[in-house]
Amino acid sequence: GDSVTQMEGPVTLSEEAFLTINCTYTATGYPSLFWYVQYPGEGLQLLLKATKADDKGSNKGFEATYRKETTSFHLEKGSVQVSDSAVYFCALSDLGYGQNFVFGPGTRLSVLP
Amino acid sequence: NAGVTQTPKFRVLKTGQSMTLLCAQDMNHEYMYWYRQDPGMGLRLIHYSVGEGTTAKGEVPDGYNVSRLKKQNFLLGLESAAPSQTSVYFCASSPHLPTGVDTQYFGPGTRLTVL
Repeated sequence: GDSVTQMEGPVTLSEEAFLTINCTYTATGYPSLFWYVQYPGEGLQLLLKATKADDKGSNKGFEATYRKETTSFHLEKGSVQVSDSAVYFCALSDLGYGQNFVFGPGTRLSVLP
Repeated sequence: NAGVTQTPKFRVLKTGQSMTLLCAQDMNHEYMYWYRQDPGMGLRLIHYSVGEGTTAKGEVPDGYNVSRLKKQNFLLGLESAAPSQTSVYFCASSPHLPTGVDTQYFGPGTRLTVL
């Protein structure tokens, strides 16, 4: 079945450091890909998404590019802030998988001042 | 718009007790979902619904039942709570586009403890 793999956390960075969180997927069809963010005590919020190969999703300084050849959707930010501390989930939605979402296990990011 | 709301926010149950979690959305979305979130395991789908009057099992449906009598509401029931059901429960909804399911919108969660 479909699956999403994320790099293990927690990830701890200093403010203004460069962030990469790796995400790879397996899917039976042609999925849409998403990054969600969960701040402490809250539900998940959509951060960005991409629906076809080579699309780049971006929001709040975060970017991710849909790479079909490597089945990847890595999340990047050039300069993280303390307020970016949260758990980040990679996810896919695949028509070939009953139109359900599959989430990765999440990566906890802590940014230190 | 309130988006997706969940009731209650917190609950403590004793083993064997029953309860119902309520999810409501005001975005006229076709799809609704119930997930549980446990440390180190990410989100796991319990049940979902593709429209009013329909429900289907997800990855971890045992011990739970659901109903979608109205399009805007999705109820999750625990008939006989067990300590293994201690978790944070999230409801989500999404529109159904011709190209497939789009973005999911999440509620704030319900933290359930079963003693």
